[in-house]
Amino acid sequence: DIQMTQSPSTLSASIGDRITITCRASQRISDWLAWYQQKPGKAPKLLIYKTFNLQGGVPSRFSGSGSGTEFTLTISSLQPDDFVTYYCQQYHDFPLTFGGGTKVEIK
Amino acid sequence: EVQLLESGGGLVQPGGSLRLSCEASGLIFSNYDMIWVRQAPGKGLEWVSRIDTVFNTHYGDSVRGRFTISRDNSKNTLYLQMNSLGVEDTATYYCAKVNSATRGFDQWGQGTLVTVSS
Repeated sequence: DIQMTQSPSTLSASIGDRITITCRASQRISDWLAWYQQKPGKAPKLLIYKTFNLQGGVPSRFSGSGSGTEFTLTISSLQPDDFVTYYCQQYHDFPLTFGGGTKVEIK
Repeated sequence: EVQLLESGGGLVQPGGSLRLSCEASGLIFSNYDMIWVRQAPGKGLEWVSRIDTVFNTHYGDSVRGRFTISRDNSKNTLYLQMNSLGVEDTATYYCAKVNSATRGFDQWGQGTLVTVSS
């Protein structure tokens, strides 16, 4: 199985900060990597698919990059609505797997 | 507007069974692969199962052999039959639609809570 390791697990930042979340795969997954945002008590929401493609309606302050085994999600200027939890997910091979999540907190 | 509505969650004793349903509307259900994802209380997301448009199925390691995913395209409904439930299966279960082009999970239900406890 492909293991997805996200870091950090918690990130403290301020409104307007630029942050980066990293996701490492235990083996090469090409660019089959998605990012999801989850607000408390809500279903996840697809932010980015195939490493860097923004899902419709997602603000341009979100961006993704990477290839192979290392990937990043960047938020260029944190907004109040962004202080929630983010997950990466590989869909290169079954079983599909998620990272452990990164909770973005207000500093 | 695409809507996915899960049902069937509740309290079940260890060793018991439960069947979850996910009714879809606002889309041609038969055209899409569908998945189940679960989230234990206070924990991260775990992919559970996937069924494609020609009824091929895949399962996560922790549920393979105990859970069965199925679909009834005539009823626009996805199912998850869960047998031999253990306390570790306690979670909110979400169904989601797979985007055919991007393969991302682009539409999600609101989730249904399954609690396994004696």
